[in-house]
Parts: sequence; structure tokens; C-alpha cells
Amino acid sequence: QVQLQESGPGLVKPSETLSLTCSVSDGSISSSNYYWGWIRQPPGKGLEWIGNIYYSGSTYYNPSLKSRVIISLDTSRAQFSLKVMSVTATDTAVYYCARLAGGTGFDSWGQGTPVIVSS
Amino acid sequence: DIQMTQSPSSVSASVGDRVTITCRASQDIVNWLAWYQQKPGKAPELLIYAASSLQSGVPARFSGSGSVTDFTLTISNLQPEDFATYFCQQANSFPYTFGQGTKVEIK
Repeated sequence: QVQLQESGPGLVKPSETLSLTCSVSDGSISSSNYYWGWIRQPPGKGLEWIGNIYYSGSTYYNPSLKSRVIISLDTSRAQFSLKVMSVTATDTAVYYCARLAGGTGFDSWGQGTPVIVSS
Repeated sequence: DIQMTQSPSSVSASVGDRVTITCRASQDIVNWLAWYQQKPGKAPELLIYAASSLQSGVPARFSGSGSVTDFTLTISNLQPEDFATYFCQQANSFPYTFGQGTKVEIK
């Protein structure tokens, strides 16, 4: 069973860039059967989809964040990454990476990593 | 963006009860709907995809139905481990959007 693991700083200063990496335990990151996504959850709130990346490198972003977000893929390292630029306190959240199976649903998730934006 | 509206926002129930949660999409999403369970401090887990398909390993007491704009998640014979928050999510078009969640609490 695939395992996903987020890593990155838990504290980011306002106006700086949040950078997270998701490591995928099996070879499915190179499979055409899956997309790879980032979702976040502010404290006590619901889930917000940030964006997806396909094995080909094609990306799909939430328009609410599109101008500040970059998702990239490194199949050689079995990782994909998230960058959110010019962060503010509203970017404080638990960030999850997840696998999307053919558009049907996110079937595997990382444990989540909390990120606080504060000076 | 497609808006997903869940109801109720919370429900109190007892072990053995049948619980029904609804999710309404602001436009036609065919059957591109998923349901997730989330427990405190944990990542969501996929229960149902394509509106009514049970994810592998999920107990059969969970079922989903619906199409177009109206969808339902039913938990039959509620078990202690089912007390959690449930989210719907549309996968019909970008940006993917989630419902606001329904918390199932112990009565």
C-alpha cells in the first residue's frame, strides 16, 4: 500500500515562501493512473484543494491561489513539491499531500504537516 | 466554482442508528462525488467514490447514492469508530471543492 509523507518547515514568516515536499513510497508516482495533489485545512475549518500534478508534469491549480502556487514533480526521487509564495497568516493550515486515482477521489493521504505563518 | 453544501452540519446519534448526510452541488457533477471520513488530528480517508462505489477496505455499512446535484451518504448500524467528521468533494471539474463537513457526534 502506498504511503505518502510530507516534510518541510513548520514555521514560515509572512511574505516568505512556504515549501513542502511529499515523498511517495512506491513507484506509482510515475504511473499514468494517478494525479498527485495538495490540500490544506486551516485550524478548525474545512478542506481546500490547492492543486494537482500529473506524471507528465501537467498542473492544475485552484484559481484562488494560482498566482502564488507552484507544484512540481521529481519522479527520480519519487517526490512532488508545493511552493506557496508571499504567505500571510491566512495560509496557516495543516497541509496534506494525496494521491488522486483517475479523478475519482483522493485514495491515499499523507499524515499532514502543520504550517504556521508568523513572524 | 462548484459549491458543495452539506447538511446537517452536525448530527447526534447512538450506536446502532442509521445516519444520513446529504450533499448538494451548485451545478451538475454527474456522479463525480467522493465522501471522506476525518477523525481529529488525522488525515481524511476515502469512503466512497463515483457517488456510490465503496472504497476497498471500507465497511459495507457505508453507502452512497445520488447523481447530478443531490447526493447522500448513509451509515447503517453506526459503530463507535464512526463518530467523526464527514466531507463530500466534487471531482467533476477544477477547482475541486469540498463540502463544509458534517460532524457525527455521540448522543
